[in-house]
Amino acid sequence: DTGVSQDPRHKITKRGQNVTFRCDPISEHNRLYWYRQTLGQGPEFLTYFQNEAQLEKSRLLSDRFSAERPKGSFSTLEIQRTEQGDSAMYLCASTSGGYEQYFGPGTRLTVT
Amino acid sequence: AQSVTQLDSHVSVSEGTPVLLRCNYSSSYSPSLFWYVQHPNKGLQLLLKYTSAATLVKGINGFEAEFKKSETSFHLTKPSAHMSDAAEYFCVVSASGGSSGGSYIPTFGRGTSLIVHP
Repeated sequence: DTGVSQDPRHKITKRGQNVTFRCDPISEHNRLYWYRQTLGQGPEFLTYFQNEAQLEKSRLLSDRFSAERPKGSFSTLEIQRTEQGDSAMYLCASTSGGYEQYFGPGTRLTVT
Repeated sequence: AQSVTQLDSHVSVSEGTPVLLRCNYSSSYSPSLFWYVQHPNKGLQLLLKYTSAATLVKGINGFEAEFKKSETSFHLTKPSAHMSDAAEYFCVVSASGGSSGGSYIPTFGRGTSLIVHP
């Protein structure tokens, strides 16, 4: 257990529905990252926060995706109007500003 | 720009024999390099990291890696494989610089699946 938690661990939804995932980082970590991982691939960067500010967003993050980190603590990732191609493992990681990241267990999304 | 190439998608070894997982990187800046391990249904765990100090880096569970700038490589090794080492291994490069200065956005390789036979 790295100290980073994600909820839910699994989510099954129908195409077109909205879903929201939560990540609780290690409390003293100021940076929080979201990644997407599909079968047979490494994690792909989606976005990251330093405290409450969203500093970078990948081109993978379409306008159906939005992320927030109110008050610089937990973060949420919302996907609107889900598509089958959104099925993946969504990973969250946090760091205190160095390079070493601590990953949560992930949320596995299945869109039917 | 940065990228990572893990040269083998699968590596199969017998228990007790050496492990070599190969990784090449490219980076426009001085890189930091990492190896992470992912066991089935578990989160990613950091094995070791290189951040411009000693070029030979020792990690957890007997793993080590050597940073070779001239070869742009960061191969992961272990003298003797254990059954519990069977997992997916990811090489990661992260470098400061770019449009956002110290953005530290890591790039992961596609992973190498380590299979350990009894």
